[in-house]
Amino acid sequence: DTGVSQDPRHKITKRGQNVTFRCDPISEHNRLYWYRQTLGQGPEFLTYFQNEAQLEKSRLLSDRFSAERPKGSFSTLEIQRTEQGDSAMYLCASSPNWGGSHEQYFGPGTRLTVT
Amino acid sequence: AQTVTQSQPEMSVQEAETVTLSCTYDTSESDYYLFWYKQPPSRQMILVIRQEAYKQQNATENRFSVNFQKAAKSFSLKISDSQLGDAAMYFCAYRSGDTGNQFYFGTGTSLTVIP
Repeated sequence: DTGVSQDPRHKITKRGQNVTFRCDPISEHNRLYWYRQTLGQGPEFLTYFQNEAQLEKSRLLSDRFSAERPKGSFSTLEIQRTEQGDSAMYLCASSPNWGGSHEQYFGPGTRLTVT
Repeated sequence: AQTVTQSQPEMSVQEAETVTLSCTYDTSESDYYLFWYKQPPSRQMILVIRQEAYKQQNATENRFSVNFQKAAKSFSLKISDSQLGDAAMYFCAYRSGDTGNQFYFGTGTSLTVIP
């Protein structure tokens, strides 16, 4: 396992459609995070999982957004009824829950374009 | 919420020279962690350097070092002997030591290295 992977890397969708992104964290990392990054901005926190439990959600995560991590391994982020304002890079990160390591390891992101 | 400010949207440096990127943050906490991440064009973010707030000694990683001024809430990154591969977007990030799961990112500094 060489790092966090995300799929797809790019997604173009029409307004109103649903989209789902997948994140595979680094093996043995039981913490997983989703961020959104728009042009010219730093990543903004969306949600956090420890194992399969979703422990934190940002107010940015509207009711059109849902995230899951059913078996504590990979995670999915779904956006329903997409809007043009959802266009952004969606980043996934993972970190271990041991050893005093506090950094997060980021994936390459999924770039969403809503037309 | 904590805020992280990067006041330099763009910086440039001649190859082999030294450049310093600025970052300030606002927090009332005493226990926290600070990070610099590098995001090359179309590539994933990677950790450059981290600093624990309880440590007085400034962190150093090869050509990268920080100037951590806790009282001033300042955390600048110095890149020595700049290389073409250092060209990227640099993000400063804050993580709480107590409740910290999410990172708070600045808006980034785009670094250009001039050959």
